[in-house]
Amino acid sequence: GQQVMQIPQYQHVQEGEDFTTYCNSSTTLSNIQWYKQRPGGHPVFLIQLVKSGEVKKQKRLTFQFGEAKKNSSLHITATQTTDVGTYFCAGRNAGGTSYGKLTFGQGTILTVHP
Amino acid sequence: GAVVSQHPSRVICKSGTSVKIECRSLDFQATTMFWYRQFPKQSLMLMATSNEGSKATYEQGVEKDKFLINHASLTLSTLTVTSAHPEDSSFYICSASVQGPYEQYFGPGTRLTVT
Repeated sequence: GQQVMQIPQYQHVQEGEDFTTYCNSSTTLSNIQWYKQRPGGHPVFLIQLVKSGEVKKQKRLTFQFGEAKKNSSLHITATQTTDVGTYFCAGRNAGGTSYGKLTFGQGTILTVHP
Repeated sequence: GAVVSQHPSRVICKSGTSVKIECRSLDFQATTMFWYRQFPKQSLMLMATSNEGSKATYEQGVEKDKFLINHASLTLSTLTVTSAHPEDSSFYICSASVQGPYEQYFGPGTRLTVT
């Protein structure tokens, strides 16, 4: 079945440093979504990428979708303590019996030291 | 908008009893609801997908007789953990989506502890 691998599992940064998490799918995706889960909270939708090679920005966050629609990345510039949490990518399969289902990556736990 | 509630937020039950968890979309009609299970510091594992008025689709390895899902309306889905055991202790999260963007709106989760 579809697998979505996300690295790194953990990332500790000093406030002001940049942060990147990477997501790779074993199959071609129709789209990919990113979610953030604060400690003790629930996942909150950040963004969806649909087009091959798409790049979207939300303030200090930059999201990319690979040309082959099998990988994606989230980059945070100049991290702040409010960025702390777990970032998940979630891919939607392009076809087959699992069409429409989201498969979540393992998540990257981001810690920001002030 | 797009608020999903989940009740209860925490529940402690004895081994062998059943527990029902409710998931409601408060300000929109959800065509599909999803049930996930999350272990500490781990990812979300999809348990089942439910569409209003039809039987839930369970993921491989999830016992449908143990995790009963009912999706009675476009705003309510319930998960019943039957004959709960300590290994069923976990964080259960529901989500709801609408056709089109398919982004999922998550409920706050239910922490189940089986003693």
